[in-house]
This record gives sequence, C-alpha cells and structure tokens, in this order.
Amino acid sequence: KAGVTQTPRYLIKTRGQQVTLSCSPISGHRSVSWYQQTPGQGLQFLFEYFSETQRNKGNFPGRFSGRQFSNSRSEMNVSTLELGDSALYLCASSILPGQGARTEAFFGQGTRLTVV
Amino acid sequence: GQQLNQSPQSMFIQEGEDVSMNCTSSSIFNTWLWYKQEPGEGPVLLIALYKAGELTSNGRLTAQFGITRKDSFLNISASIPSDVGIYFCAGQLFDAGNMLTFGGGTRLMVKP
Repeated sequence: KAGVTQTPRYLIKTRGQQVTLSCSPISGHRSVSWYQQTPGQGLQFLFEYFSETQRNKGNFPGRFSGRQFSNSRSEMNVSTLELGDSALYLCASSILPGQGARTEAFFGQGTRLTVV
Repeated sequence: GQQLNQSPQSMFIQEGEDVSMNCTSSSIFNTWLWYKQEPGEGPVLLIALYKAGELTSNGRLTAQFGITRKDSFLNISASIPSDVGIYFCAGQLFDAGNMLTFGGGTRLMVKP
C-alpha cells in the first residue's frame, strides 16, 4: 500500500513568488492535513481538509491556502513568499477526521521549500 | 506556538540503555500520538493512545496516556543504534478534527 506522496521533494523560490505543493494521501484516506516544520517553531498545523472542505485552520496568514480535490488529493499554496517561509512542509493523511484509530495521521516525506 | 512541553530536549545514551521521555500540557487531550522522525523524512507513527490510563506497547516501545489526560510518556527499552532520531509527542483535542499539537521533540543519540 503506497504511503503519502508529496511533490516536489525540494523547491527553491525567490521572495515574492508563489508556490504550490501537492499531496496524494494513502488510498482510502479522506482527511488531509498540512504542517510547517521549522527549527525555531517546530511542527505547526496549517489546515485540514475533508470532503473538499477546510475543517480547521492554524494560525497562519492568509498567504497560506489550500484545497482538496474530489479524489482526496490536496494542494497548498503560498503566495508572496517571504524568507521566513523556508521550511519543511508536511502533509498527513487519515481515514477520517474525529477520534479513534481512523484519525491516526500518517505523514509524507515532506517538501523542503527554500526561499531566497 | 506549541502547547506541549516535551522533555528532555536531547539524550545521548549508551546502546542497551533504557530511555524515557514525556510530554505535558495545560490542555486535556483526547488522543496522544508518538512519532519518530529521521533526517530528510517525515514523522513515522509509533504508538497511538486513545484512553486515559492506557498503556500500549510496540516492540521495545511502551507509551502511556496519563490519567489526567494532560500528559504522556514514551519508554524505549534496550536501545539500539537505529533508535537514533527525533521523537515527537502529539496531542489531539476533542472536536478539533485531525489537528495535532506537537511537542518540541526529543533528539535521541545512541552510542554503540
């Protein structure tokens, strides 16, 4: 069974540009969450999608956005990139949102974004 | 910012030793998860806990969900070199979907 697939693995962008990251969840998983990981702030929740709807959103500016497609694949977009957006962006998939075993989150390898 | 206090921040131990790390929070969590992350990889789920007082093992790993629901610990017995990595605790609040709050991580180094 394939795991969570994130593309691309590495990305270098210039300040002011925008970027789109992609996540394909584990087959059968319908909930997708995104996290930002930096040395200073650790792992921080960005947002969660289920059935193409955003269910929860973390404390990030509006430059960070996402969406989910009918096949559960998800994308996140960061506009007007800043140096501080350099981070490892992780996607996690779960069978369903809520509580219990079906909510266990499985992570992809992440996309390493560097903003120069 | 983070709401989970994870300790210790790092540990350098001898192969064969037992390891213990813990997480505490000011909030009550419904689920506690423990992950391990190696360089260049995403976190890998080790153990999931769903009920206060629950004690769960996965091979040499044992984790417990604290009675107060505000803490959890992870023990690794008879450590081996491949245990090296960063261990994270994560809590899930009631009615917060799959949003996880992470601890700051415990970096484990094992000397052969």
